[in-house]
Amino acid sequence: EAGVAQSPRYKIIEKRQSVAFWCNPISGHATLYWYQQILGQGPKLLIQFQNNGVVDDSQLPKDRFSAERLKGVDSTLKIQPAKLEDSAVYLCASSLVPQAKNIQYFGAGTRLSVL
Amino acid sequence: ILNVEQSPQSLHVQEGDSTNFTCSFPSSNFYALHWYRWETAKSPKALFVMTLNGDEKKKGRISATLNTKEGYSYLYIKGSQPEDSATYLCAFKNNAGNMLTFGGGTRLMVKP
Repeated sequence: EAGVAQSPRYKIIEKRQSVAFWCNPISGHATLYWYQQILGQGPKLLIQFQNNGVVDDSQLPKDRFSAERLKGVDSTLKIQPAKLEDSAVYLCASSLVPQAKNIQYFGAGTRLSVL
Repeated sequence: ILNVEQSPQSLHVQEGDSTNFTCSFPSSNFYALHWYRWETAKSPKALFVMTLNGDEKKKGRISATLNTKEGYSYLYIKGSQPEDSATYLCAFKNNAGNMLTFGGGTRLMVKP
């Protein structure tokens, strides 16, 4: 089966610029997750969608980060404006159902460098 | 904020060596523990999901054990191969909330 697709793979921007990342989950997966992985740390959940509704966005810095999943399939994550500390790998994952006993399928991530 | 710790942070072994690393998590309100393998420039891939105290899982040369009462899980790799080189992540969920909390990972490098 096709995996989770993410684009772009790499992005370099200057601070205060805007950037957007795109994710296409595995077909039929209702739950979609965005993670931020800063070098040397584990992935941190930013937002979790169930279909097109938000389940958890408690760790999303809402003053500059936004995410949407309008039709319950693809999702975009936006940073506006970017700060130096936003340099990280942004991972998208999906699962068939939200229960944590089900594995999550990850994309290859977008590596963002903010200069 | 839940504290999930992995040790060691990095490990260099020779091909053929067996190795193990640890994931420590809160021992109260346990729900599930995941292990993932993340190779450079690829996507993290699930190895195991463990839910019961005393669980032992095995996939080829890789196995894992779970102790929910004391809050730890071990991952073992028997006869390491260069293709085992990757970062191994564990992730924990308790009974409250929806999210998995990841540890910082153990980076394994296997020299031929």
